Amino acid sequence: DVKVTQSSRYLVKRTGEKVFLECVQDMDHENMFWYRQDPGLGLRLIYFSYDVKMKEKGDIPEGYSVSREKKERFSLILESASTNQTSMYLCASSRGDSLYEQYFGPGTRLTVT
Amino acid sequence: AQTVTQSQPEMSVQEAETVTLSCTYDTSENNYYLFWYKQPPSRQMILVIRQEAYKQQNATENRFSVNFQKAAKSFSLKISDSQLGDTAMYFCALALMNRDDKIIFGKGTRLHILP
Repeated sequence: DVKVTQSSRYLVKRTGEKVFLECVQDMDHENMFWYRQDPGLGLRLIYFSYDVKMKEKGDIPEGYSVSREKKERFSLILESASTNQTSMYLCASSRGDSLYEQYFGPGTRLTVT
Repeated sequence: AQTVTQSQPEMSVQEAETVTLSCTYDTSENNYYLFWYKQPPSRQMILVIRQEAYKQQNATENRFSVNFQKAAKSFSLKISDSQLGDTAMYFCALALMNRDDKIIFGKGTRLHILP
């Protein structure tokens, strides 16, 4: 079974802090994704990566950056956390030849106070 | 631009009943995939079913089936003999073939299966 893990289930940070959210997948997937999920807004794509050191902006990249130094790991970085970044963050991965069949991690619920 | 609309924010049905979740979408493209994802409470989101737009036959996965109406741009999910474990948030999603690498998700329908 594909396993996508995220470093924390719950995280509380202060405004202005730098925040790192880590995602690791164990199935050698080429593609990895970061979404945020908000009530009434569904899932919105922040960034995705289709290869090591490659990244593409999604629909809402402002205030975020990403890093993919190794194939199995995709990090989301909030350079200076703000209260409007309080959300559930979901990581996903997929095979290179099955781009749309995504496997999701359990999510990180981030609260910025 | 592509859009996905789920008009039912929340639904409740009794266990063992059949329930249909609605989804409409908009795209000017002809080749695309449609998906239903399920997110149980405090658990990971999983893919339930997928449909290729070029296929006329509706996809089926055990108790889950879809009613794909391409002309009407409608993609509803039917859950037969509903079970308590079907309680979840359900997301309808659209992805264009060979374009953009992105999935467009609807806002979700929260489904409660009542004992």
